[in-house]
Amino acid sequence: AQKITQTQPGMFVQEKEAVTLDCTYDTSDPSYGLFWYKQPSSGEMIFLIYQGSYDQQNATEGRYSLNFQKARKSANLVISASQLGDSAMYFCAMREGLGSARQLTFGSGTQLTVLP
Amino acid sequence: NAGVTQTPKFQVLKTGQSMTLQCAQDMNHEYMSWYRQDPGMGLRLIHYSVGAGITDQGEVPNGYNVSRSTTEDFPLRLLSAAPSQTSVYFCASSRAGGYNQPQHFGDGTRLSIL
Repeated sequence: AQKITQTQPGMFVQEKEAVTLDCTYDTSDPSYGLFWYKQPSSGEMIFLIYQGSYDQQNATEGRYSLNFQKARKSANLVISASQLGDSAMYFCAMREGLGSARQLTFGSGTQLTVLP
Repeated sequence: NAGVTQTPKFQVLKTGQSMTLQCAQDMNHEYMSWYRQDPGMGLRLIHYSVGAGITDQGEVPNGYNVSRSTTEDFPLRLLSAAPSQTSVYFCASSRAGGYNQPQHFGDGTRLSIL
């Protein structure tokens, strides 16, 4: 079974609008972290935001926020006031296990296009 | 700030050739990893290391070797290149300490096997 599922291969949003990118995950470990990365067309992977499984509040970083619904196992990324520079591929990823050496498991990504 | 440095950025090989992708980090991170990224798929873990002298396999290790003689360096070796290894390769590093540590990525190596 897929550990990270991103069901939106592509999304379009108008500049200055908000957009939500979906991510669901599957784990039986009570301790895990969820990450979002941005990959612009230049190819580098840029860390955006992190949410821990025990965090009581949704994470926020500037225009990025994470809508974390633990019971539904979803960790959607919300980008407010979209900018043209937000056009990129976005990956959701998970790291499991308290104190473990497990590395990231990635979803297949969502290509976001911001329209002027 | 160098962070994670990968060399080369681009490489073309012929089937059967061998080569080493270099990765170095200057953040004194304990953990280092290699991923490959193929079209339509997320990144998949090839090999990783939790410290000098310690390596382990990830999801897609076949055809690749790694070693970690220093904290800073984590080279990835293709033993006998195959067209199926055409991909973009990313090296990443992070602090030890569990699931809350983000990984920091290099800029990637684009590898084509003819």
